[in-house]
Amino acid sequence: DAGVIQSPRHEVTEMGQEVTLRCKPISGHNSLFWYRQTMMRGLELLIYFNNNVPIDDSGMPEDRFSAKMPNASFSTLKIQPSEPRDSAVYFCASSLDQINLSEAFFGQGTRLTVV
Amino acid sequence: RKEVEQDPGPFNVPEGATVAFNCTYSNSASQSFFWYRQDCRKEPKLLMSVYSSGNEDGRFTAQLNRASQYISLLIRDSKLSDSATYLCVVNDGRQGGKLIFGQGTELSVKP
Repeated sequence: DAGVIQSPRHEVTEMGQEVTLRCKPISGHNSLFWYRQTMMRGLELLIYFNNNVPIDDSGMPEDRFSAKMPNASFSTLKIQPSEPRDSAVYFCASSLDQINLSEAFFGQGTRLTVV
Repeated sequence: RKEVEQDPGPFNVPEGATVAFNCTYSNSASQSFFWYRQDCRKEPKLLMSVYSSGNEDGRFTAQLNRASQYISLLIRDSKLSDSATYLCVVNDGRQGGKLIFGQGTELSVKP
């Protein structure tokens, strides 16, 4: 089992550029989560999907952020345009059955730096 | 009030010590509770689930008090390798709901 796979692992970009983060959940998992972690705010849930459908995007900070899950094995989180305050570690996680409230497995994260 | 609150620490303890972490949550409808561990610059990983009757896994014991909306984690005979940040995690109580993470408690075990 390869686990949750995120790419890229590190991203450095200039302010104003578009950034796309990618995630491949564990095969068979039907819930996918995008989290952002900073020293100041800890781990924040941005959005989560269940069976490829966005369920709750109330954590998405503003319209510059968007997320898609076109199929069960792939999701993207896009920031356009990026700003320095978006610098953080972005984690993707998946779980087998959120209705039964099972544990979430995390990817290794994407460390984003916007300069 | 934050949905999940933890003492951020850091807790600095010697090897062999017993250390306890506490966590409070605000949503009385929450149904599932977990402790995750996060090592520096790594992803969070499940340490253990927390059951109503309390549960133990080796040196680790988790307790839940629904009336007080309080969760605890006890680590006995602490090891250097226990140094990490411990995250209290609570679901939001809805079917198909989300997991809410506390800010984490940092533990440093010294020789």
